[in-house]
Amino acid sequence: DAGVIQSPRHEVTEMGQEVTLRCKPISGHNSLFWYRQTMMRGLELLIYFNNNVPIDDSGMPEDRFSAKMPNASFSTLKIQPSEPRDSAVYFCASSIRLAVAKGETQYFGPGTRLLVL
Amino acid sequence: SQQGEEDPQALSIQEGENATMNCSYKTSINNLQWYRQNSGRGLVHLILIRSNEREKHSGRLRVTLDTSKKSSSLLITASRAADTASYFCATDALNSGYSTLTFGKGTMLLVSP
Repeated sequence: DAGVIQSPRHEVTEMGQEVTLRCKPISGHNSLFWYRQTMMRGLELLIYFNNNVPIDDSGMPEDRFSAKMPNASFSTLKIQPSEPRDSAVYFCASSIRLAVAKGETQYFGPGTRLLVL
Repeated sequence: SQQGEEDPQALSIQEGENATMNCSYKTSINNLQWYRQNSGRGLVHLILIRSNEREKHSGRLRVTLDTSKKSSSLLITASRAADTASYFCATDALNSGYSTLTFGKGTMLLVSP
């Protein structure tokens, strides 16, 4: 199994530019999560999908952030326009079901390290 | 807001020693999970303990859970240099009618040869 795939692994861009991060979840997993990790704030849940439908985007910091999941094997996280404070590592994770209370675990991708200059 | 808080923030030990990391949380949980993150990598699930369990083992890992104190500990016995990583506890938190994971900020473990 290839695991969760994210691209690009590194992204350096200038303030004001659009950034698109991509994620391919593990085949057969029905839930997908986008996280952001910084030293100051730790790992924050931004948005999550179940069966390709966004369930909760309350963690998205601003309207500059948007996420889509057009099909079961692909999701994007877009930042437009990007700002230096968006610099962080962005992780995508997937799970078989959205059932954390029942012990469902999450499988993380390698992350995209974003630097906005 | 953070549900789980790990302690200590950083831990440095020698190979062969045991490493103990603690996690405290604030609200009632159904289960608690521990994850490991190697530098530059994603998080990897290590072990899950349910709220009705007090202790669980997996290889060199031992996890305890005290729901009365809202705390958990992760013990790594006979540590190896390869155990060097950050360790996170994660608890389930009710969110929009679904449970999601809320992570602490982690304990950074350094195991020196």
